[in-house]
Amino acid sequence: QKEVEQDPGPLSVPEGAIVSLNCTYSNSAFQYFMWYRQYSRKGPELLMYTYSSGNKEDGRFTAQVDKSSKYISLFIRDSQPSDSATYLCAMSHSGNTPLVFGKGTRLSVIA
Amino acid sequence: DTAVSQTPKYLVTQMGNDKSIKCEQNLGHDTMYWYKQDSKKFLKIMFSYNNKELIINETVPNRFSPKSPDKAHLNLHINSLELGDSAVYFCASSLQQGGATEAFFGQGTRLTVV
Repeated sequence: QKEVEQDPGPLSVPEGAIVSLNCTYSNSAFQYFMWYRQYSRKGPELLMYTYSSGNKEDGRFTAQVDKSSKYISLFIRDSQPSDSATYLCAMSHSGNTPLVFGKGTRLSVIA
Repeated sequence: DTAVSQTPKYLVTQMGNDKSIKCEQNLGHDTMYWYKQDSKKFLKIMFSYNNKELIINETVPNRFSPKSPDKAHLNLHINSLELGDSAVYFCASSLQQGGATEAFFGQGTRLTVV
């Protein structure tokens, strides 16, 4: 079993839809959880960062971490065509260990 | 101002050649990384340097040799290139090691070995 599992999609939604992206993981020691967004032919950029369990909201984006289920989610409200990108979850178990990435989910928001 | 810059952006070369990719960051970060992203978009760490010292060296063939002349630069030299080395290589930097701080990525170097 891979440490981090993420459905690669592709996921296609109409503009204005609520998007739900998810990752599951096997290492219960993970404490730092991040979502990166990667546009085509660009480097990943940090979207959301969460430490331990709970929710975090930033504008149209909400990140949720459920450590008991080893499950993290990213919700995008009122999705826009500019949200079309690959979304990668990433996590690590301490401040000194490198990030382990999911394979990324490719999202297309259709106008 | 580009935070993490890599050169070249594209690299096409023949099997057996030796090539280098350069990376520079102007963020004042202590830690720099090399990641490899394969054709399936899977992003995997290769190396991590902290203050010019090698911290992480994942299972990477020894044909790959990173060099950090100073904190702001981390170059990747690849000997005897193979077809399987074709991928996008990303340089990244962060204020500290690991997952406690945000990693900033460069735009990537798309390497194609023919």
